[in-house]
Amino acid sequence: QVQLVESGGGVVQPGRSLRLSCAASGFTFSSYGMHWVRQAPGKGLEWVAVIWYDGSNKYYADSVKGRFTISRDISKNTLYLQMNGLRAEDTAVYYCARAWKEYCSGGSCSGGMDVWGQGTTVTVSS
Amino acid sequence: QSALTQPASVSGSPGQSITISCTGTSSDVGGYHFVSWYQQHPGKAPKLMIYDVSNRPSGVSNRFSGSKSGNTASLTISGLQAEDEADYYCSSYTSSSTLGFGGGTKLTVL
Repeated sequence: QVQLVESGGGVVQPGRSLRLSCAASGFTFSSYGMHWVRQAPGKGLEWVAVIWYDGSNKYYADSVKGRFTISRDISKNTLYLQMNGLRAEDTAVYYCARAWKEYCSGGSCSGGMDVWGQGTTVTVSS
Repeated sequence: QSALTQPASVSGSPGQSITISCTGTSSDVGGYHFVSWYQQHPGKAPKLMIYDVSNRPSGVSNRFSGSKSGNTASLTISGLQAEDEADYYCSSYTSSSTLGFGGGTKLTVL
């Protein structure tokens, strides 16, 4: 079945780095744009980043721009989020999610995310 | 970054209809057809309920409908059921090529 499984979360000190992974299965990973979305404890959803189906474009929330990098490895059907310079405010559950539209570009990558992982928890604390 | 405005809470009795609003600007909700709605139960991942303003994914009940007028999008749930009690989030593409979420609305079924 169509599935996304995140991993790589944990407890990390401020300023350190962490890389999250999202393993995709049950669909043609290379045909879909992918997002990272996070949710701080007791708070709402916050979009983090998107990568188009072909990896040609990547966009980031202002809160993570310059610190986080989204990427994908088609050969491994895996999405990544490299997080550098972590701050306490980055503490959250991180979800990967699939854009509903195949071969999306521009706004069509953001019309809806139809498959979500279960989330991985990142805690930034000294 | 886009910050869409939703009511913090709404409530309704079983069988009734409720509407959740999502207000943005011409740079997000009003400017694009890329508005979506998500349902989230406690401790669970969000679930897509509406995409591209008014389309329902396969498997989502037709009691859920979406619309947009100007800078405000709306999610309507008819025939409220106990299982509809959850948090609901809207999102919209923005002119910065980013995505913004609303603050979320807690739906209580009385």
